[in-house]
Parts: sequence; C-alpha cells; structure tokens
Amino acid sequence: AQSVTQLGSHVSVSEGALVLLRCNYSSSVPPYLFWYVQYPNQGLQLLLKYTSAATLVKGINGFEAEFKKSETSFHLTKPSAHMSDAAEYFCAVMGNTGNQFYFGTGTSLTVIP
Amino acid sequence: EAQVTQNPRYLITVTGKKLTVTCSQNMNHEYMSWYRQDPGLGLRQIYYSMNVEVTDKGDVPEGYKVSRKEKRNFPLILESPSPNQTSLYFCASSLQSLTGPLHFGNGTRLTVT
Repeated sequence: AQSVTQLGSHVSVSEGALVLLRCNYSSSVPPYLFWYVQYPNQGLQLLLKYTSAATLVKGINGFEAEFKKSETSFHLTKPSAHMSDAAEYFCAVMGNTGNQFYFGTGTSLTVIP
Repeated sequence: EAQVTQNPRYLITVTGKKLTVTCSQNMNHEYMSWYRQDPGLGLRQIYYSMNVEVTDKGDVPEGYKVSRKEKRNFPLILESPSPNQTSLYFCASSLQSLTGPLHFGNGTRLTVT
C-alpha cells in the first residue's frame, strides 16, 4: 500500500532562510506525488506534483521538490522563506489504482521575522 | 470561477441527529472525494466517487454515507452522528483520478456534542 511520512510536524525558519520540508514515500510502483499547502481557514491548494516527467519539479510561490528514487524521498524546498509562507504543508501520494490519495500528517511552517 | 463549494462552513449538532454536508463543483470533474482532517492524523479519505452512481469506501467510511446522483454534487451524510465524528471535513474533486490534482473546498467544521 502507498503511504507518505512527513518528518517534523513543526518547522520554524527565519525570514530569508532556506525552507526544507521532508517527505518520504512508500510505493511499489513509480508514484505520483504531490505537495499541498493549507492556509488558515482554507482548503488545500496544490503547490506542485511529480508525475515522472522530471525529477526536479518546480511549483508555485518559488517552491520546488526533488524526487529521489534511491532515497524514496520527495522533499520540498524554497531558497528564501517569506512571511506569507507560514502555513501547513501536506505531502500526498496517489494510490496504485488511481482511486485514492494518501496524505501525510502535515508540517506546520512558522516563519520568524 | 472554478471552485468546489461546501456548505455549511460550521455546524454544531447533537448526537444522533442526521445531517448532510453538501459539496458541489462547477468544473465538470468526474472524480470527487471526502476527507476528514484531525490533528496529528493529516487527511484521511472517507469515500470517493469515480463518476455518477459510482462510489466506494476510503480508509475511514464507518458512520458515513454518500451519493452521486449528479456529476456536480457529492453530499456527505451522517445518519447518526457521534462525538468521534467531530472533525474538519473537506470535499475535493479532480478531472480524472489518475491525473490529479485535487481541488479542495474550504472545509466544514463539524462539532457533535
């Protein structure tokens, strides 16, 4: 069965510092992987998705993620954090049959001025 | 504007009183799904629907029902709500499940006393 594990339920960074949010996946087949962001009192919005076309995926708001098969990882990064990046971030994987999506437990990002 | 609309945004009810949370999308999406979000557990899928009249259980279907009589609507029904169903609920849709991504509504916060 597919699953994702997000390491660190809370991450704090200073404004302007590198953002690194970790996600490891478990899948028996090449996965479709996603990162979503959730701002307070809102639904989830897609940041980026990996569909095997390229290992480095660029998303919105300056975020990117690199698919590393050897490490079964799909970590999310942003070179320079902005105050507006403070939110909860979810990694997700699509199930083998394409019927279900499995989400991680989320990482809450705090940006310190 | 393309969107997924959930109603109500907030709902407080008592144990055993049947309720329905509505979900409607205007993007002609085939795939629709319901999730519940609980602290420390991320999002867990309740039910999904591949198309009209096609629904199936997700990971946590107990105590919930759904129907898909029209392509745009996918209501979530709690026949006899219990306090352990107090949660934040999200409806999501996708053009086709195999391609993703999911488009989310803004959520319904349900409290069962």
